[in-house]
Amino acid sequence: DQQVKQNSPSLSVQEGRISILNCDYTNSMFDYFLWYKKYPAEGPTFLISISSIKDKNEDGRFTVFLNKSAKHLSLHIVPSQPGDSAVYFCAVGSSGSARQLTFGSGTQLTVLP
Amino acid sequence: EAGVAQSPRYKIIEKRQSVAFWCNPISGHATLYWYQQILGQGPKLLIQFQNNGVVDDSQLPKDRFSAERLKGVDSTLKIQPAKLEDSAVYLCASRLGGPYEQYFGPGTRLTVT
Repeated sequence: DQQVKQNSPSLSVQEGRISILNCDYTNSMFDYFLWYKKYPAEGPTFLISISSIKDKNEDGRFTVFLNKSAKHLSLHIVPSQPGDSAVYFCAVGSSGSARQLTFGSGTQLTVLP
Repeated sequence: EAGVAQSPRYKIIEKRQSVAFWCNPISGHATLYWYQQILGQGPKLLIQFQNNGVVDDSQLPKDRFSAERLKGVDSTLKIQPAKLEDSAVYLCASRLGGPYEQYFGPGTRLTVT
């Protein structure tokens, strides 16, 4: 039973264009949402987060959108750069679960120069 | 600030052998997690510690896996005996109390032959 789904295993985008990565979740009890980036042979690195009381959070080129009614979040990267090429994981958490995180399966983003 | 340290980075063993992984979290982080990440999947929580106590080990295969966090700082994860399906990257993460964000080490890639 997958509580968090990233349905696109891979995404290719041209440098300078927008990258949109998507994530769906099933449990409305989740109240905190995060994106992590992972380079090969490294651990995941925290990128950006959003709580359930907001619908948008921006940090430089990265923006996370949350649609609670659709149980959907997305990460927008504008403009995309070759250094953004990595695997991106969405993660969801609930204050009722000792703040544990449940991760999606990841999306491999490739930004083409 | 030093990040989460893990060793070894790589380990190859034969099935039925035992193996141990070590983790040193970020200084001051009371919560420590061990995850298993199988190729093509997101990290899956094995065990969560708060200081030196276990918060959740419901997903730890206790017939072969064990973990401890003596003195509430370093932690070790052991597998005995290993099976082929234990081949994965084992990630350690730590968290400061309060925020959801977890900080990951580089992981240990285990190959069981």
